[in-house]
Amino acid sequence: QVTLKESGPVLVKPTETLTLTCTVSGFSLSNARMGVSWIRQPPGKALEWLAHIFSNDEKSYSTSLKSRLTISKDTSKSQVVLTMTNMDPVDTATYYCARFITVTTWRYFDLWGRGTLVTVSS
Amino acid sequence: QSALTQPASVSGSPGQSITISCTGTSSDVGSYNLVSWYQQHPGKAPKLMIYEGSKRPSGVSNRFSGSKSGNTASLTISGLQAEDEADYYCCSYAGSSTVFGGGTKLTVL
Repeated sequence: QVTLKESGPVLVKPTETLTLTCTVSGFSLSNARMGVSWIRQPPGKALEWLAHIFSNDEKSYSTSLKSRLTISKDTSKSQVVLTMTNMDPVDTATYYCARFITVTTWRYFDLWGRGTLVTVSS
Repeated sequence: QSALTQPASVSGSPGQSITISCTGTSSDVGSYNLVSWYQQHPGKAPKLMIYEGSKRPSGVSNRFSGSKSGNTASLTISGLQAEDEADYYCCSYAGSSTVFGGGTKLTVL
């Protein structure tokens, strides 16, 4: 069974750095046809793509958030980590990790984790 | 990268058909056949319904179909059922990035 599960803090303070982990099972992060992304959704609002990481460790980031984001993976642990610096209350959202299918480029998200709600507040 | 444009809401009665549009630009929807559609029920994770413009994943009802014309992609749901009531998001490749639409709330009357 293929699953993705997000983990990390429920509450962070403004200006702190958020670190989220996506643990995957049922597939390998070295599979060339797949990658993992992070996507967020503020309460009551739309989905927003944050970052991709491919099996060859190629990365891409949202232009508007690029300066604050770092995505990385540990294939042996089946984990993908997202860090976001300088957190602000507007970053309060449910953060999802999702598997995507790729040939030479991203093609679509086929499986999603359940998401983790992160609240930014002092 | 600007979000794709979707209507905020659509509605239809059981058995009817509805179409949700997703308008982008020549830098995303218009340039690639890589539009996907996701269904999201309240409190749940999104679910893939259509990929690569018009393909349905295994297990998704054939009542769901996708198409594209120019810079606009569309999702059509035929034979509306109560369980189709949800939020729907389009998503497109945009050349090294990925962009979502603002979402459409479907109400089944």
